[in-house]
Amino acid sequence: QKEVEQDPGPLSVPEGAIVSLNCTYSNSAFQYFMWYRQYSRKGPELLMYTYSSGNKEDGRFTAQVDKSSKYISLFIRDSQPSDSATYLCATIIQGAQKLVFGQGTRLTINP
Amino acid sequence: DAGVTQSPTHLIKTRGQQVTLRCSPISGHKSVSWYQQVLGQGPQFIFQYYEKEERGRGNFPDRFSARQFPNYSSELNVNALLLGDSALYLCASSSGTSGYTDTQYFGPGTRLTVL
Repeated sequence: QKEVEQDPGPLSVPEGAIVSLNCTYSNSAFQYFMWYRQYSRKGPELLMYTYSSGNKEDGRFTAQVDKSSKYISLFIRDSQPSDSATYLCATIIQGAQKLVFGQGTRLTINP
Repeated sequence: DAGVTQSPTHLIKTRGQQVTLRCSPISGHKSVSWYQQVLGQGPQFIFQYYEKEERGRGNFPDRFSARQFPNYSSELNVNALLLGDSALYLCASSSGTSGYTDTQYFGPGTRLTVL
């Protein structure tokens, strides 16, 4: 079993839709949670960084962490074609050196 | 401000050869991490260096090695290349000042193809 599970998609939605991306993790020691966006043939770009359970909002993006169920989500409101990319969830244990990534979900927003 | 830079952008090698990839971190950052991303998968941790010392190593064979220089730039070396080493190699930079949970910022990557 992978430490972080993420549905690879692909996910295709119309412009303006609300997008929900999700990951589950198995190790309760994971304490920090991130979402990265990766355009084709580019490096990952940090979108959101959260520590505790609850919601964190930044513009059209909301990250949600539920540590009790080991579930993390990213919501994108008013989705745009420019949001089309692969979204990677990642987590890390405090004191550890490595980010542990999910497989990534490939998202396409259709005009 | 310049972000993380990596060179070269693309590289084609044949099996058995050796390759060196280079990374320059964000100015002021002292920690560099290397990740391998195979097509269709998330990045996998290879190494982290801080102040020229190896801080962590992932589950990769000894064919993979790295080092960090006094200016905090880093090199990743892979010997005896295998077809399975074909991947996007990502370098990530972090400040290193607040411990191990610093935010990591990624470079554009080096795409290595092994024929």
